[in-house]
Amino acid sequence: AQSVTQLGSHVSVSEGALVLLRCNYSSSVPPYLFWYVQYPNQGLQLLLKYTSAATLVKGINGFEAEFKKSETSFHLTKPSAHMSDAAEYFCAVSQDTGRRALTFGSGTRLQVQP
Amino acid sequence: KAGVTQTPRYLIKTRGQQVTLSCSPISGHRSVSWYQQTPGQGLQFLFEYFSETQRNKGNFPGRFSGRQFSNSRSEMNVSTLELGDSALYLCASSLPQWAGGPNEQFFGPGTRLTVL
Repeated sequence: AQSVTQLGSHVSVSEGALVLLRCNYSSSVPPYLFWYVQYPNQGLQLLLKYTSAATLVKGINGFEAEFKKSETSFHLTKPSAHMSDAAEYFCAVSQDTGRRALTFGSGTRLQVQP
Repeated sequence: KAGVTQTPRYLIKTRGQQVTLSCSPISGHRSVSWYQQTPGQGLQFLFEYFSETQRNKGNFPGRFSGRQFSNSRSEMNVSTLELGDSALYLCASSLPQWAGGPNEQFFGPGTRLTVL
């Protein structure tokens, strides 16, 4: 079984401040990990993915995430928030078992204050 | 390359009716997955199709069904609609598992279903 926990359903930061969105996973086998972003009335867009090639993963729009096996974490960060980053962010996990099903966290809504 | 398309984008139905949603994957993608998104339950996996066969199914009642056609397009059907079926239904396509690597899924814009 696998699960994902996102700490903090709402995070508010000032424009230019560090963004840190937390994700912890539970998986019985080495996982694949993803961060997706969802803007209002839109589908999900992939920000980045962890595939075991490197523990620090860089994604689009200046986001990056670090896989820490000892902490079972995959937190998402961005050094400087922009107003356009305001959206909902989802962490997801899957396993290399041939199945495509993603297990999502409950999501974190990011607000960026001017 | 065109993205995943879903039709219709918005749908209003009444309890007891049935509904069919359509999804066209990215060209070359043969795996299609469906997810339900609600404020209360979040994003939940419904089912996955590959080569016209259901490969995986989430924990949903039998009222939820799907199929995939030879051109990889997929439909999902919900019969005897209930108020709780109101949700955003998202379709995602990906390369087949034999292509290797993680199952990076590309999502469509979703179909917003409202059940009255």
